[in-house]
Amino acid sequence: QKEVEQNSGPLSVPEGAIASLNCTYSDRVSQSFFWYRQYSGKSPELIMSIYSNGDKEDGRFTAQLNKASQYVSLLIRDSQPSDSATYLCAVRSNQAGTALIFGKGTTLSVSS
Amino acid sequence: ETGVTQSPTHLIKTRGQQVTLRCSSQSGHNTVSWYQQALGQGPQFIFQYYREEENGRGNFPPRFSGLQFPNYSSELNVNALELDDSALYLCASSSDRGTNEKLFFGSGTQLSVL
Repeated sequence: QKEVEQNSGPLSVPEGAIASLNCTYSDRVSQSFFWYRQYSGKSPELIMSIYSNGDKEDGRFTAQLNKASQYVSLLIRDSQPSDSATYLCAVRSNQAGTALIFGKGTTLSVSS
Repeated sequence: ETGVTQSPTHLIKTRGQQVTLRCSSQSGHNTVSWYQQALGQGPQFIFQYYREEENGRGNFPPRFSGLQFPNYSSELNVNALELDDSALYLCASSSDRGTNEKLFFGSGTQLSVL
């Protein structure tokens, strides 16, 4: 059973701090990795994708991938109250078409 | 705004009934995937359709079925509804089946089974 694990939180950080969200996955042959943000009652919104080991930066967001450790993380710099949401880690399965396997999500709360 | 539209937005059914959910894919996209998201969980893959054929299926029973039409819109049908089918149903379209393809979700259909 391929799994994606995330700490459910809640993770609480003050405004302006760095929020660090972590994810591990079990399928060693996974090739693509995604972070989605989901506000309460809304659908997931793609915020980052990463395919190679190392860091990928996009504005205040940095995704980090370590395939040897089967670990992917998301850093949010200068956290804002509007970043308060559930963050879903998703990993691409190589078996069922382009199916994504999601973790349960980490709830982030940014206090002003 | 992803260009993926789903209908209806909310639906209430009773146990044992049947339901049909609809999804219009983004222009130019020939692949549609369906996911089920129960409260407090991540989305779970139901199945994917590529050019009107089922192209992959998750761990869901046969009472979950689907269709894709020549214009690449799609339907998800669920027969013999159970209480545990209450969830947010998400549709995503994409332009190919490649492993690097990003998925963009529609706004979802919230199904409540009483």
